[in-house]
Amino acid sequence: ILNVEQSPQSLHVQEGDSTNFTCSFPSSNFYALHWYRWETAKSPEALFVMTLNGDEKKKGRISATLNTKEGYSYLYIKGSQPEDSATYLCAFDAIQGAQKLVFGQGTRLTINP
Amino acid sequence: DTAVSQTPKYLVTQMGNDKSIKCEQNLGHDTMYWYKQDSKKFLKIMFSYNNKELIINETVPNRFSPKSPDKAHLNLHINSLELGDSAVYFCASSQDLSGNTEAFFGQGTRLTVV
Repeated sequence: ILNVEQSPQSLHVQEGDSTNFTCSFPSSNFYALHWYRWETAKSPEALFVMTLNGDEKKKGRISATLNTKEGYSYLYIKGSQPEDSATYLCAFDAIQGAQKLVFGQGTRLTINP
Repeated sequence: DTAVSQTPKYLVTQMGNDKSIKCEQNLGHDTMYWYKQDSKKFLKIMFSYNNKELIINETVPNRFSPKSPDKAHLNLHINSLELGDSAVYFCASSQDLSGNTEAFFGQGTRLTVV
């Protein structure tokens, strides 16, 4: 059974502060790691898809790193804004050729103005 | 234009009924999925189809049957609904089967069985 764990489960951050959270996944049979942003009453939206050990990806104030050897990925948000409030999901894919994402429970981020 | 749309958004039905949830994507993607958000809020894959062919069929009761009339549609039929089927069901699509393409999700269908 594949386990994807995210920590913390919830996080309150002051507007303007930077923050980060973790996704842990099995380090064997790695194929891809996805990050999604899920706002309340909307559908999850992809942030990053990462496949290579050492990958770093950036989109505006949000960036992610990947360590496949030790099985973790960090998501960083710089200078948090209220619109960053959402649940951030990571998903692990171990199989090439049959996208079968295993999702973590998410980190629920609330930005306090 | 909504990329992945599923209908209905809410579905309340009695135990024992048969119901369907429809999903359509206008992205030209080859692959479509059904996910279930379980009681602990995890998204868990149920099925995936690629060009109308079943690829993934997770351990779900056979009361659940997906139907893909064409690669832009993947509908979910549920027979003999049970209380435990109450959940939010998400449809998604991706360009292809490779795990390095992002998934696009619909807004979910909240199914309540009473």
